[in-house]
Amino acid sequence: GQNIDQPTEMTATEGAIVQINCTYQTSGFNGLFWYQQHAGEAPTFLSYNVLDGLEEKGRFSSFLSRSKGYSYLLLKELQMKDSASYLCAVPGGGTYKYIFGTGTRLKVLA
Amino acid sequence: EAGVTQFPSHSVIEKGQTVTLRCDPISGHDNLYWYRRVMGKEIKFLLHFVKESKQDESGMPNNRFLAERTGGTYSTLKVQPAELEDSGVYFCASSQGHPYSGYTFGSGTRLTVV
Repeated sequence: GQNIDQPTEMTATEGAIVQINCTYQTSGFNGLFWYQQHAGEAPTFLSYNVLDGLEEKGRFSSFLSRSKGYSYLLLKELQMKDSASYLCAVPGGGTYKYIFGTGTRLKVLA
Repeated sequence: EAGVTQFPSHSVIEKGQTVTLRCDPISGHDNLYWYRRVMGKEIKFLLHFVKESKQDESGMPNNRFLAERTGGTYSTLKVQPAELEDSGVYFCASSQGHPYSGYTFGSGTRLTVV
């Protein structure tokens, strides 16, 4: 089967760095996605990792270790607008559907 | 370009009634997906259309749910009759080809069955 685990909530201070972890178990692996979702809005695509290592996009970076079934999303120079849910997802084994984690609700405090 | 549009944004209905949700994908996107998030749980896949054909409907909960995509453009998801456990946020998403560059999601329809 497939399973994704993420922390439920995290709190950090404006200007700080936060790391949101995601562990997964899948039958076959076709990459891992991170999405950001502000309350009441659409989830928006942040990153897609299929190879091991760190990929950086501005203040956001995503890391993948396939051997460990582990990924993290790193947010630097936190801003109040980064308060949102961060969703980890993997493709559902040879299909176009995603398997989502429950998401991590990040609160950025002033 | 216009994003994925869902209508209505909120719907409150009584148990036993019928509700129809609509999704307009990004123009030209052949792939259209429906997902649902029940409170406190993860977003779960319902089904996938390629143009007007149902490619994968393995996530549809039961036969009270009917999805259509006539003409391969917009899609509707009908729940008939609605039950209390159908409450949640229904998301639609679309993609051009294989979604390795990510889906584009709509803002969702929040359905409350009372």
